[in-house]
Amino acid sequence: AQSVSQHNHHVILSEAASLELGCNYSYGGTVNLFWYVQYPGQHLQLLLKYFSGDPLVKGIKGFEAEFIKSKFSFNLRKPSVQWSDTAEYFCAVMATSGTYKYIFGTGTRLKVLA
Amino acid sequence: DAGVTQSPTHLIKTRGQHVTLRCSPISGHKSVSWYQQVLGQGPQFIFQYYEKEERGRGNFPDRFSARQFPNYSSELNVNALLLGDSALYLCASSSGANTGELFFGEGSRLTVL
Repeated sequence: AQSVSQHNHHVILSEAASLELGCNYSYGGTVNLFWYVQYPGQHLQLLLKYFSGDPLVKGIKGFEAEFIKSKFSFNLRKPSVQWSDTAEYFCAVMATSGTYKYIFGTGTRLKVLA
Repeated sequence: DAGVTQSPTHLIKTRGQHVTLRCSPISGHKSVSWYQQVLGQGPQFIFQYYEKEERGRGNFPDRFSARQFPNYSSELNVNALLLGDSALYLCASSSGANTGELFFGEGSRLTVL
């Protein structure tokens, strides 16, 4: 069965610190990979996605993620976080065959201190 | 442009009751999927509908059902409510069945007493 693991449940950083959030998935076939973000009081929205091609993908607000197929990982990074990045971040996997359902990780709550 | 809209935003029910949650997708989107999000967890897939047909079902009991209407709006129904059904129910729409990006609504927060 598919599963997604996010290793960090809570992260606290100071502004300008670098961020890396881990995501590993379990699935034997081809997948599409996503990071979604939920800012306080807002709905979930797409941060970035990987379908194929360059394994380093760039998203909104300076975020990027690298797909490492051999490690089944899709870690999210940002070189310098801002207070406005305080949010909950969800990694998600979608199989490219079958039911196409999304599997979400449990989320990482990021708090950035001003 | 209107995003995904869900109603009601909050509701309180008692055990054994029935609930209907509604979702209107973004105009032009033909796929609607439903997720349950319990506090501290990520969204859990319940159903996906595309062109009014069920395309996927998650590991939820038969008390959960859904349908999609000709205008692509959708309803999620839950019968015989249990305390454990208390959660945020999210609706997401996408343009196709497997086009990837989901657009989420604000959710319907259900409390079962």
